[in-house]
This record gives sequence, structure tokens and C-alpha cells, in this order.
Amino acid sequence: EDKVVQSPLSLVVHEGDTVTLNCSYEVTNFRSLLWYKQEKKAPTFLFMLTSSGIEKKSGRLSSILDKKELFSILNITATQTGDSAIYLCAVEAPRYGGATNKLIFGTGTLLAVQP
Amino acid sequence: EAGVTQFPSHSVIEKGQTVTLRCDPISGHDNLYWYRRVMGKEIKFLLHFVKESKQDESGMPNNRFLAERTGGTYSTLKVQPAELEDSGVYFCASSQLDTQYFGPGTRLTVL
Repeated sequence: EDKVVQSPLSLVVHEGDTVTLNCSYEVTNFRSLLWYKQEKKAPTFLFMLTSSGIEKKSGRLSSILDKKELFSILNITATQTGDSAIYLCAVEAPRYGGATNKLIFGTGTLLAVQP
Repeated sequence: EAGVTQFPSHSVIEKGQTVTLRCDPISGHDNLYWYRRVMGKEIKFLLHFVKESKQDESGMPNNRFLAERTGGTYSTLKVQPAELEDSGVYFCASSQLDTQYFGPGTRLTVL
């Protein structure tokens, strides 16, 4: 059965700390790995990763994928209270010859950044 | 550009009643997905529309759930009759190519 596992489940840090969130996966058909940030309502898109070893960056956030070891990490440097959220990892696993791209989610990592 | 919208944001119903959730995707997005998160579990796929056609409904839990997307624009997800285990947050997402953009979800509570 396809699965995505995130760790840690929750994390409490102080402003200015650097955090690393982990995501490992086992899926039959892999197309891409996505990271989302969920604050109150809608998960908002952060990154899509399709190739190993190529770092994606957006401000203080960065992410990288290792398709050989089947994992990804999301780094957040110089954390701020506004980074507090649930961070979701999802793997795009096509079915039916690629006609559908359902996402398989991990349970998420709850990050709390204290002032 | 408006994002994915969902209505209602919350719904509280009694077991045995019917509820209809609505999703309006981002304009021009052919792909529309429904997902659900039940208490303490991960978000799980329910089904995928391409325009008005159901491409994959392998995640639908049982025949009490009916999704439609008439005209290929907005979609509805009806639960009839609702059971206690249907409680959770129902998310809709849409995409044109690869990236799926999510709505805020509908929190459904079945008493």
C-alpha cells in the first residue's frame, strides 16, 4: 500500500532557530513530491519536487528530494512566529496510465515557533 | 485571481440526514479533486474529475457518497444518509497542469 510518513509529528522551536522537516515515501508510481503549508484553512502550495538533488528555494524555505532513498526534507531558516503551521508532504501517484494524479499525504508536522 | 472556494465552511447535521458540499475551482482548471481528512488521520483522496468526467473515484468510501460536476465547472459532493464516521474536513483542489491548489475545506460534523 502506498504511504507517506512525516517526522517529527510536532516540533516547538524559538524564533531564529533552523528546522528540518522530514518526509519519506513508498509508492508504486512516483511522479512528484509536494510540500504544503496549512495555517488555518486551505493548504497553500510551497514546492513541487520531481528530480533528485535539485534544491528548490523560496526565501527562508528550501527543499530537496532524494529519489534513491525515497525521502525529502523541508528546511526553514531563521524561523518566525508566522512560520507556525502544519506542514504537509504529499506524493503525486498517477494511476490509469497517468490519467489521474491523486495525492497521497502524510499526517503532517505541526510546527510551533515561539517568540 | 480567485482561489478555490468551498461552501459551506461548516456543517453540523444529524445522523441519517443529507448534506451537500460545493466546490468552485479556480477558473479554467479542468481537474478537480475531492479529499477528506478524518480526525487524527491524514488527508485522503476521494475522487478526481477532468471537466465533467470522473477520472478516478477509487477513494470514495461507499455508495452513500455521490459527486457531480455538471458542465465541468463547480462540483458537489452529497452524503446521503450521513453516518457518524463521515465527520471530518472535506477539501477540494483544482489544477490545470500539475500543481493542485486547495480550498479552505468544509468541516462536517455528524451527530
